Amino acid sequence: GENVEQHPSTLSVQEGDSAVIKCTYSDSASNYFPWYKQELGKRPQLIIDIRSNVGEKKDQRIAVTLNKTAKHFSLHITETQPEDSAVYFCAAGRPRLVFGAGTILRVKS
Amino acid sequence: DTAVSQTPKYLVTQMGNDKSIKCEQNLGHDTMYWYKQDSKKFLKIMFSYNNKELIINETVPNRFSPKSPDKAHLNLHINSLELGDSAVYFCASSQGDTYGYGYTFGSGTRLTVV
Repeated sequence: GENVEQHPSTLSVQEGDSAVIKCTYSDSASNYFPWYKQELGKRPQLIIDIRSNVGEKKDQRIAVTLNKTAKHFSLHITETQPEDSAVYFCAAGRPRLVFGAGTILRVKS
Repeated sequence: DTAVSQTPKYLVTQMGNDKSIKCEQNLGHDTMYWYKQDSKKFLKIMFSYNNKELIINETVPNRFSPKSPDKAHLNLHINSLELGDSAVYFCASSQGDTYGYGYTFGSGTRLTVV
């Protein structure tokens, strides 16, 4: 079955800096790669996703890149703000999703 | 209108009790899921139903029994609760089971077993 590894487990950045979270997956048949943001005490919410026929997708300050050959995908957040502080989960699936273990992002002002 | 709603939001109960968590989605999605999130924030799939049929049943103690009366509802019943069952339980739904779609999560039920 699919196995998703996510790094780093915690990430602290200064406000305005960029943050990058990386995930690797094991099943080459996985074709859908979403990212979720979970604020403290709240539900995970989809922030961006990418399908296997696309290499990069951008939405304002967030972007996701996918390297199918290497089986890894990354979340990039530019110009980080304090409200970006949360736990971020990557997932991979075809279509059932397997989630990474999460990254706690702290943006220091 | 809440897309995926769970009740109750908080549940505190004693060991050995039986409890249920209810989930309803008004998105018209075909597939619903139960996830358990432990204290380390890991999201672990428990069950998945597609059009009322069980399609995923991960290694979960048989004290946990899901029920889907229709495709808009997926309930979770837990018998003989144990301390280790304390966690946040999330219900989620997605558009289908044949192509990748994002999940919409409910607000979660924080279960505390004392």
